[in-house]
Amino acid sequence: NAGVTQTPKFQVLKTGQSMTLQCAQDMNHEYMSWYRQDPGMGLRLIHYSVGAGITDQGEVPNGYNVSRSTTEDFPLRLLSAAPSQTSVYFCASRLRDPTIELTGELFFGEGSRLTVL
Amino acid sequence: GNSVTQMEGPVTLSEEAFLTINCTYTATGYPSLFWYVQYPGEGLQLLLKATKADDKGSNKGFEATYRKETTSFHLEKGSVQVSDSAVYFCALRVTSGTYKYIFGTGTRLKVLA
Repeated sequence: NAGVTQTPKFQVLKTGQSMTLQCAQDMNHEYMSWYRQDPGMGLRLIHYSVGAGITDQGEVPNGYNVSRSTTEDFPLRLLSAAPSQTSVYFCASRLRDPTIELTGELFFGEGSRLTVL
Repeated sequence: GNSVTQMEGPVTLSEEAFLTINCTYTATGYPSLFWYVQYPGEGLQLLLKATKADDKGSNKGFEATYRKETTSFHLEKGSVQVSDSAVYFCALRVTSGTYKYIFGTGTRLKVLA
């Protein structure tokens, strides 16, 4: 079972460069999201999507763009990387089902470690 | 606002020791509570959950009880193994009409043989 797949696993960028972190899931999950994980700060939500064509901002959206053209894919774009974006990024997805709205499990990818010099 | 507070790590224990990782929360409404575990080099995965007061979640020998009166969801295991070495995250989800989870900062556990 593939689950949630993120690429690349590691990336080094120079300040000002752009890149896209890819996320794909094969579980037909409507809800997909991006988090960043920083020491001492836990996971913080960057952007999320509740279905194809619908995206919204999380708590730390600045410097990141997302789009959702298909149910399976939810790429995260850094248009002009900054050292403050050095972090580990996780994509997560879940079913969007009212019966499990509060209790449904989030499924995470293995993470993408990004370093911006 | 909604928040989760976890004890700071790292926590270092010998194999077969008793484990407690404290988690307290602040939330509006009636949250569901979760523990996620992150093994080295992997993403987070659900360990256990509880959806209402006095519920006990359990999995792989870990337990946590949803205590509304103390707003706590402490993780416990009676006898840890080296393979339990990981980072543990407490999280909540509230009836806020959004799709957001609130995660704690994580507690790193190291178990020595």
